[in-house]
Amino acid sequence: DAEITQSPRHKITETGRQVTLACHQTWNHNNMFWYRQDLGHGLRLIHYSYGVQDTNKGEVSDGYSVSRSNTEDLPLTLESAASSQTSVYFCASSGIDEKLFFGSGTQLSVL
Amino acid sequence: SQQGEEDPQALSIQEGENATMNCSYKTSINNLQWYRQNSGRGLVHLILIRSNEREKHSGRLRVTLDTSKKSSSLLITASRAADTASYFCATDEYGGSQGNLIFGKGTKLSVKP
Repeated sequence: DAEITQSPRHKITETGRQVTLACHQTWNHNNMFWYRQDLGHGLRLIHYSYGVQDTNKGEVSDGYSVSRSNTEDLPLTLESAASSQTSVYFCASSGIDEKLFFGSGTQLSVL
Repeated sequence: SQQGEEDPQALSIQEGENATMNCSYKTSINNLQWYRQNSGRGLVHLILIRSNEREKHSGRLRVTLDTSKKSSSLLITASRAADTASYFCATDEYGGSQGNLIFGKGTKLSVKP
């Protein structure tokens, strides 16, 4: 069955370190998204991509970057992790039916 | 910026009762979607309703959309303990980026056995 997987499930890092969260989907979807979820804020869009070599900034993109070298993967990089980036991160993908399929999330703690 | 706002923030009911959650939004939309999130898990798509539709059903779920009031409601009938989860509405803004959904903060539903 097609799926979308995120790794790692949990990550603890230190302030200032570079961190990369992986997202891999086998739906063959062109659209991929990264959200962060925080209490009191719901889900906020970080970056998104409509296809290979395409990336776009979302509502809360500062301090994050993505790259899309193939259809299946959209890694999210925190260039220099900050405590304000402690959050749960969700990757999602969608096809022509416009429904989002979510991964199980990555709990990131920046100490 | 937040588009959808769910109401209530939290809802506690007994098994067998109906649960109604509401969503209000600010701008014109192409469609509105509802998602469920179980604790510690990713969101799962429940139902999509387009701007030219007024009501949609899927099993025990009933969604209504009133574009004149910019609001939607999700009704879960004959609730079960397994329905305990957070429910989010998400809007696809008219004129916005393709597939770029804006989520509300969610309603936390607790169904007691």
